[in-house]
Amino acid sequence: AQSVAQPEDQVNVAEGNPLTVKCTYSVSGNPYLFWYVQYPNRGLQFLLKYITGDNLVKGSYGFEAEFNKSQTSFHLKKPSALVSDSALYFCAVQTDSWGKLQFGAGTQVVVTP
Amino acid sequence: DSGVTQTPKHLITATGQRVTLRCSPRSGDLSVYWYQQSLDQGLQFLIQYYNGEERAKGNILERFSAQQFPDLHSELNLSSLELGDSALYFCASSSSLAPGEQYFGPGTRLTVT
Repeated sequence: AQSVAQPEDQVNVAEGNPLTVKCTYSVSGNPYLFWYVQYPNRGLQFLLKYITGDNLVKGSYGFEAEFNKSQTSFHLKKPSALVSDSALYFCAVQTDSWGKLQFGAGTQVVVTP
Repeated sequence: DSGVTQTPKHLITATGQRVTLRCSPRSGDLSVYWYQQSLDQGLQFLIQYYNGEERAKGNILERFSAQQFPDLHSELNLSSLELGDSALYFCASSSSLAPGEQYFGPGTRLTVT
């Protein structure tokens, strides 16, 4: 079965500091991996995806993610966090060719001024 | 604004009742996905339709059903409601070119009393 895991329920970071949100995956074959963000009282928003190619993927709002096959990880990063980045972040893996996604449990990011 | 619309925004109903949630996908998207988000279960995939045909089923209860109409809007029907069905229900859509890149609506918050 294909799955992702987000080991941290919450990540706290000061504004201006680097932000990392961790995700590990378990898939057979080549993984299609995604990051989504959910702001309070909103639906999820697509941030970025890894399908193939460069291990460093750039996405929206200055976020990027690094795919590491040997460590089966797909961590989300931002060099300098903003207070407005405070939100719930979900890692996901696509489990079939029709786009069915398996989401992780989510990581709450809190950025303090 | 993702381009995906959902109605109603909030729904309060009693146990044993039946409700219908409605979703209109982004213009041009043929795929519609339904998800349930609750505190204890996280984000759960329910069902997917592509151009009117059911394509994938997830953890959807037998009391729940969905359909996609010729104009591509979709409805999720929840019947014999229980307290545990209280949750946020999201609809998402995607293009066939990038099925895992999904665009979520604002959600319907269902409260069963």
